[in-house]
Amino acid sequence: DIQLTQSPSFLSASVGDRVTITCRASQGISSYLAWYQQKPGKAPKLLIYAASTLQSGVPSRFSGSGSGTEFTLTISSLQPEDFATYYCQQLNSYPRTFGGGTKVEIK
Amino acid sequence: QVQLQESGPGLVKPSGTLSLTCAVSGGSISSSNWWSWVRQPPGKGLEWIGEIYHSGSTNYNPSLKSRVTISVDKSKNQFSLKLSSVTAADTAVYYCARVNKLVTMVQGVINYYYYMDVWGKGTTVTVSS
Repeated sequence: DIQLTQSPSFLSASVGDRVTITCRASQGISSYLAWYQQKPGKAPKLLIYAASTLQSGVPSRFSGSGSGTEFTLTISSLQPEDFATYYCQQLNSYPRTFGGGTKVEIK
Repeated sequence: QVQLQESGPGLVKPSGTLSLTCAVSGGSISSSNWWSWVRQPPGKGLEWIGEIYHSGSTNYNPSLKSRVTISVDKSKNQFSLKLSSVTAADTAVYYCARVNKLVTMVQGVINYYYYMDVWGKGTTVTVSS
């Protein structure tokens, strides 16, 4: 199985901050990576797919980059509604796997 | 707009079988999508369980494969999950999701970039006597 390691696992930030979350794969997965946002008690919401393609309706302050084994999700200016947990997922091979999550909290 | 809705018992006894259904509305389960199950134990991360295509083809997580069956009912536009021999470790919120794809062609090579773009709200299943 491909392991995905997210860092940090916890992040404290202020509104307006630039935030970067990293996802590292245990082996190369090209650009077969997606990012999701999950708020408490809610289903995950797709933000980014194919490593850098923004899902329709997702604000442009979210962006994704990377290829191979290292990927990043960046929020250019953190908004109050962005406080949530973020997960990466690889769809390069089976079984599909998720990173452990990064919880973004208000400083 | 495709919507998904999970349903099934919220309480299952240990050693029993967990059975859930995901109803698809606003679209056809026979579209060119895979349909997936994902679960999340309380306070923990996401775990992919498996997926099915309308033809009946399936892919399962090896960690659960011996206990999992995913099936599709095209007449009812829904797909289902069965997980046998459950224990407390199977207590989780269970989500169904649509797997969509971006198709690209680069130098004659076709690439399929899959992603889960539509999710149900999730249903909580507790395994307890």
